[in-house]
Amino acid sequence: DTAVSQTPKYLVTQMGNDKSIKCEQNLGHDTMYWYKQDSKKFLKIMFSYNNKELIINETVPNRFSPKSPDKAHLNLHINSLELGDSAVYFCASSQDDRGGYTDTQYFGPGTRLTVL
Amino acid sequence: RKEVEQDPGPFNVPEGATVAFNCTYSNSASQSFFWYRQDCRKEPKLLMSVYSSGNEDGRFTAQLNRASQYISLLIRDSKLSDSATYLCVVNDYKLSFGAGTTVTVRA
Repeated sequence: DTAVSQTPKYLVTQMGNDKSIKCEQNLGHDTMYWYKQDSKKFLKIMFSYNNKELIINETVPNRFSPKSPDKAHLNLHINSLELGDSAVYFCASSQDDRGGYTDTQYFGPGTRLTVL
Repeated sequence: RKEVEQDPGPFNVPEGATVAFNCTYSNSASQSFFWYRQDCRKEPKLLMSVYSSGNEDGRFTAQLNRASQYISLLIRDSKLSDSATYLCVVNDYKLSFGAGTTVTVRA
């Protein structure tokens, strides 16, 4: 019974390609997130969606486009991949992220992206 | 200045020892604080929230010092299974993560 699942777990691709990572949560949470963890281990938020509505969009190149077809899914599409995009991408969800208080976030297992 | 700074360690301690480490945060308006644990090549998981009065969860004690803008984590009677990276997390409209403090407990 995986709470937050991501596919694929590993993704190796060439520079310039377009790729997508999928995320699904079965916790009934309202809010989902995408994080990037680089080689220095910093975990940085990229996007946050609440009930399919974008609420946080950090300074991320517009080659990255999140899509939330419903509140249980948040996919990440990346166009024109670059070497610097190599990282681990984590999806997460929480019950509610309105009003400045953040509930416990539950993370997916991560997608390790390598751009060659 | 980074939003959240941590001593990266590693802290190498024998089983049964006590280990403690801090993290500092830059935004004095930060509302809530957490410690997450991340095992090697795994996802982060919530270890505990940090309350103003300090709080304990078994062998783990967290403290918050708002005046000096730091939080701390103390692990008593370390177990081999405590070996992990501990991420300091600060909430100011979004979660800001530190880079983590690595703890290795040896037999």
